[in-house]
Amino acid sequence: DIQMTQSPSSLSASVGDRVTITCQASQDISKYLSWYQQKPGKAPKLLIYDAFNLETGVPSRFSGSGSGAHFTFTISSLQPEDLATYYCQQYDRLPLTFGGGTRVELK
Amino acid sequence: EELLVESGGGPVKPGGSLRLSCAASGFTFDTYSMHWVRQAPGKGLEWISCITSSGSDSSYADSLEGRFTISRDNAKNSVFLQMNTLRVEDTAVYYCARGGAVVLNGMDVWGQGTTVTVFS
Repeated sequence: DIQMTQSPSSLSASVGDRVTITCQASQDISKYLSWYQQKPGKAPKLLIYDAFNLETGVPSRFSGSGSGAHFTFTISSLQPEDLATYYCQQYDRLPLTFGGGTRVELK
Repeated sequence: EELLVESGGGPVKPGGSLRLSCAASGFTFDTYSMHWVRQAPGKGLEWISCITSSGSDSSYADSLEGRFTISRDNAKNSVFLQMNTLRVEDTAVYYCARGGAVVLNGMDVWGQGTTVTVFS
């Protein structure tokens, strides 16, 4: 199985800060990576697919980059409504696997 | 609006069975693969199963050890998860999610989740 390692597991930032989360795959997954946002008590929401493509309706302050085994997710200017846990997920091969999540909190 | 609505969760004793359902609306159901993902209390997301758009192929997480079966009824726009020999560690919120035309894809529509609690 492909292991997905996310870091950090949590972070604290202020409104307007740039936030960066990394996701490392245990093997080459090409571009087959998605990023999800999950708010407490809610279902996950797809933000980015194929490593850098923004899902329709997602604000442009969210972005993704990377390929192969190393990926980055960025919030260019953190907003209060962005407080959530973020997950990466690979779909290069089955079983699909998620990273452990990054909880983003307000400083 | 594209919607998925899960049902069928609840309390069950270890060794028992449950059948989860997920009703889809607002999109052409039989052109999409479907997935089940679960989240144990306070934990991260765990993919557990998927099924192709036609229902001809399915796949499962190894951790299930053959206890769960996914199926779908395209005439009723629904996907199901039969869960047998339930264990305490199966306690989780279970989400159904829409994949792409193929199973190797992101999941772009999610249900609200249904809670399964396994306790003695």
